[in-house]
Order: sequence, then structure tokens, then C-alpha cells
Amino acid sequence: DTEVTQTPKHLVMGMTNKKSLKCEQHMGHRAMYWYKQKAKKPPELMFVYSYEKLSINESVPSRFSPECPNSSLLNLHLHALQPEDSALYLCASSQEYSGLDYEQYFGPGTRLTVT
Amino acid sequence: AQSVAQPEDQVNVAEGNPLTVKCTYSVSGNPYLFWYVQYPNRGLQFLLKYITGDNLVKGSYGFEAEFNKSQTSFHLKKPSALVSDSALYFCAVRASYSSASKIIFGSGTRLSIRP
Repeated sequence: DTEVTQTPKHLVMGMTNKKSLKCEQHMGHRAMYWYKQKAKKPPELMFVYSYEKLSINESVPSRFSPECPNSSLLNLHLHALQPEDSALYLCASSQEYSGLDYEQYFGPGTRLTVT
Repeated sequence: AQSVAQPEDQVNVAEGNPLTVKCTYSVSGNPYLFWYVQYPNRGLQFLLKYITGDNLVKGSYGFEAEFNKSQTSFHLKKPSALVSDSALYFCAVRASYSSASKIIFGSGTRLSIRP
């Protein structure tokens, strides 16, 4: 199974809402990532979890809160977002973060719209 | 600082013709180079990678890429384009000098194959 799944596929939320994005992989990968992607732009790294510990936070605003409950699951909790946070949010995984030659496997993304 | 450049925003090719999508990079030390493809409303999909060894790397869907150290390039190629190859292509690089080095994506090239 080389699939990364993400739910929901689409999410519309108001600026006062709290919601969560979910990501799951069953490839035994020990690194998991959150990316934000604007239209026709490359993905921007937000967070990296390595062995279920937060390794990288790319100075992401605190209204985004990641969580890694176990080695297969990754959540992104959203609160008090701004309209400019509207984007495609991609989850990815790789065998390890420190393995520089490991490719990443991406989920299909969650299309988030903040109204 | 490491960087990767995709000098063409868009490449247009007729079906059946060869295609090339260009990528140049700048890193300290040896690079690990990747190509990913993104179809509309989907996540990125790994195509191929160069780690070491043979400069010509073969990947998925008939794509290949040639690593050229002197020109610091890693161009993606396919001998005969298909309409289904139309998508957004990203080149990416990681530097080998540190296990903490981050993956850097190029700005992306939109490949359009006309029937």
C-alpha cells in the first residue's frame, strides 16, 4: 500500500471556526509532513514530524497546530484562520526525514476555503 | 544556500514529439535530485530521483532525466509525449552535506501536450 489518504477533500470554514485536517499512511514511514500549496505554486513546507516528534516548524502561525497521535496519523488543527490561508493542504510521508534520498509520497490534499 | 530553478513556466509540445522540462540547481556538496508531477486537484506524485551513479535516471511513465554535474542541471525528458502527460512538473533538490537539509522545490513547469 503506497497511499497517503487525507480527509476531508474539501473544507469551507469561517474565520471563527475550529476544524481539523487528517492524514493517514500505512507504509511504515517514520517522517510525515504538512505542506501548503497556493494555485500554480510549489508546495511550501509547514511542519515535519520525525518518529512522531515535531522536528521542523517553518515559522507557521499558531492558528495552525499539528499533531501526530501515532506513526500512521497526522492531524492539522485549524483555528481562527484568515482568508489568505485558503489553499491546498498536502500531507506527505517518507521512510525517514534524515534519509536524504528518500522520496516523499503525497496525499491528494484538502482544498481549504476560509470565508 | 540551496536553490532550484525551472526557467520555463510552460512548455508546449505536440503529441508524439520528444519533450524536455528544464531544471538547474545550486547546492553545497552533492545534490539529491527529484522530479514530481502534479495532476489537477491532486497531490504530487514521485517520478524519479538521482542519488549517485549513472547520470541517466529512468522513472515512471517512460520519463527519464539526465544529471549533468558541470552544468548543474537535471532535465526531465521523454522520447514521445502523450496528451496524458499534460500536468505541472516540479524539480526538487536536497543537499547531501547534512541530514537536516530541507527539500527545496522549483517553481514548477506546466507541460501542455496538444493532440
